[in-house]
Amino acid sequence: QTVVTQEPSFSVSPGGTVTLTCGLSSGSVSTNYYPSWYQQTPGQAPRTLIYSTNTRSSGVPDRFSGSILGNKAALTITGAQADDESDYYCVLFMGSGISVFGGGTKLTVL
Amino acid sequence: EVQLMESGGGLVKPGGSLRLSCAASGFSFNNAWMTWVRQAPGKGLEWVGRIKRKTDGGTTDYAAPVKGRFTVSRDDSKNTLYLQMNSLNTEDTAVYYCTTQARGSYYLGYWGQGTLVTVSS
Repeated sequence: QTVVTQEPSFSVSPGGTVTLTCGLSSGSVSTNYYPSWYQQTPGQAPRTLIYSTNTRSSGVPDRFSGSILGNKAALTITGAQADDESDYYCVLFMGSGISVFGGGTKLTVL
Repeated sequence: EVQLMESGGGLVKPGGSLRLSCAASGFSFNNAWMTWVRQAPGKGLEWVGRIKRKTDGGTTDYAAPVKGRFTVSRDDSKNTLYLQMNSLNTEDTAVYYCTTQARGSYYLGYWGQGTLVTVSS
């Protein structure tokens, strides 16, 4: 079974830049997986940040950007702010018709 | 304004069944692909299953842990999405979210606030 991998945790300083990644246990992530990214704070429903690799969802600040880096999808936060401290999840669309979430990355801003 | 409102969660015994509903408004429900996502307490998000719009065949797909036990369905006349859950076990305990899933780009666009399902004896 395909596993989508993410860093369990990451920390960034306020104003700093951080790149979170989304990989596959076997193989490379490409745009054909339509990677998307979601932000979730405790007790809240997730919020859509990025879809189709690099398209920002409506209202998402441009300090959030998506890309393919090497064999993984990536979410970069430039100029991190305190309220960016959240859990971040990627989702990959599999050719079989199902989608699979990564395990999530807990981002700390300190 | 898009709204998704889940209901039907609660406490159920192992082996039992439960049906969740998701009332949708503010968008063309009959044109939307709809998805269920769940989150066990303290754990990450898990894609559960999806139903396409009827003009795309209305077909469903499921994650392996729920395939054969859960059924996603829709009633476009009521703008409502359903999740029938059978043979529940303790690992199904989670908050269940309904979401829209974009055709073509497959991302999860709009989210409800979720409903909690607890499977316990």
